[in-house]
Amino acid sequence: GQNIDQPTEMTATEGAIVQINCTYQTSGFNGLFWYQQHAGEAPTFLSYNVLDGLEEKGRFSSFLSRSKGYSYLLLKELQMKDSASYLCAVRDPNDYKLSFGAGTTVTVRA
Amino acid sequence: DGGITQSPKYLFRKEGQNVTLSCEQNLNHDAMYWYRQDPGQGLRLIYYSQIVNDFQKGDIAEGYSVSREKKESFPLTVTSAQKNPTAFYLCASSDRAPSPLHFGNGTRLTVT
Repeated sequence: GQNIDQPTEMTATEGAIVQINCTYQTSGFNGLFWYQQHAGEAPTFLSYNVLDGLEEKGRFSSFLSRSKGYSYLLLKELQMKDSASYLCAVRDPNDYKLSFGAGTTVTVRA
Repeated sequence: DGGITQSPKYLFRKEGQNVTLSCEQNLNHDAMYWYRQDPGQGLRLIYYSQIVNDFQKGDIAEGYSVSREKKESFPLTVTSAQKNPTAFYLCASSDRAPSPLHFGNGTRLTVT
């Protein structure tokens, strides 16, 4: 089975940096995804990690440590539009199945 | 433009009625998925299909049924056996791993 944990809520100031942690305990691992979801909308893909290390994509970076079952999503130079829920998801190694954490709601304040 | 189309966006039904949610994709993806999302919660997997004419139960399949007769289509039926059907339903598709999932815009189902 999959057990994926994220903090429920985080608040940060416009222009600041926020780090969203995700820990997982899974029966197998074939990659970790981060998605952004604005209220009432569909999730959109942000990043993918399958090997240890940091993946940088503009203002967003994602880090993975497979030995620790740990990932984080780093949001830099926060903007008001970054206020959203951020979902961590782990892929099953045996098929296409993707299991999601409950999501972290980030609120950006002026 | 390629994408995933879910219809309708809002759906209202009376308790005891079956209802079918539509999902169509023109991305030529092999795999398709149905997730359910309740307020303040993450996505829970209902059913998924890796290939035409084959599908597997996810974590919360009870009270739901699916079919995959065509690569492009993966309709979900919410039956009267589903105890709490009111939720936001999301359909997604993906190419072979490690491709990410692409989501439709969702159907918000309300059963009264």
